Amino acid sequence: GDSVTQMEGPVTLSEEAFLTINCTYTATGYPSLFWYVQYPGEGLQLLLKATKADDKGSNKGFEATYRKETTSFHLEKGSVQVSDSAVYFCALTGGYGGATNKLIFGTGTLLAVQP
Amino acid sequence: GAGVSQSPSNKVTEKGKDVELRCDPISGHTALYWYRQSLGQGLEFLIYFQGNSAPDKSGLPSDRFSAERTGGSVSTLTIQRTQQEDSAVYLCASSSSRRGTDTQYFGPGTRLTVL
Repeated sequence: GDSVTQMEGPVTLSEEAFLTINCTYTATGYPSLFWYVQYPGEGLQLLLKATKADDKGSNKGFEATYRKETTSFHLEKGSVQVSDSAVYFCALTGGYGGATNKLIFGTGTLLAVQP
Repeated sequence: GAGVSQSPSNKVTEKGKDVELRCDPISGHTALYWYRQSLGQGLEFLIYFQGNSAPDKSGLPSDRFSAERTGGSVSTLTIQRTQQEDSAVYLCASSSSRRGTDTQYFGPGTRLTVL
């Protein structure tokens, strides 16, 4: 079945460092890909998404490009801030028009940014 | 407008008791999803509603779990004869349609603790 694999955390960075969180997926058809973020004590919120191959999602300085050839959707940010400390989840919905479009999540990556 | 709301925010119950968790989706959203977030299992899908019907119940872990949705709006997740392994954060999400490209908006969750 469909699945998402993302890098294990925690990832600890200094402020203004470059961030990459790797995410790869396995899916039939043409999935949509998402990054959700969970800040401490808050609920899940969408960070960015891409719905077809070669699309780039971007928000709040974060970017991710839907790479069908490598089945990847890596999250990047050029300069992280302390306020970016959170848990990041990569996820997909199936693209084959099935009965449901449930989100399938990776295990989450904890990012801790130190001042 | 208002986001997805869930109640209660916290629920502590004794093993063997029944609990009901409520979700109010964003007004006009036809698709509604329940997920569960636990330390051991990560984020996992439970059930999907389109309108008042549930075409995908594949994620419900046992027949102690059931859910309904009335009036195409509010949904209730019921867990009968709770067990300690049911302890988790139960998340509700809604989206404007069943398309996989649509963003799912999450509520703050209900933290269930079974003693």
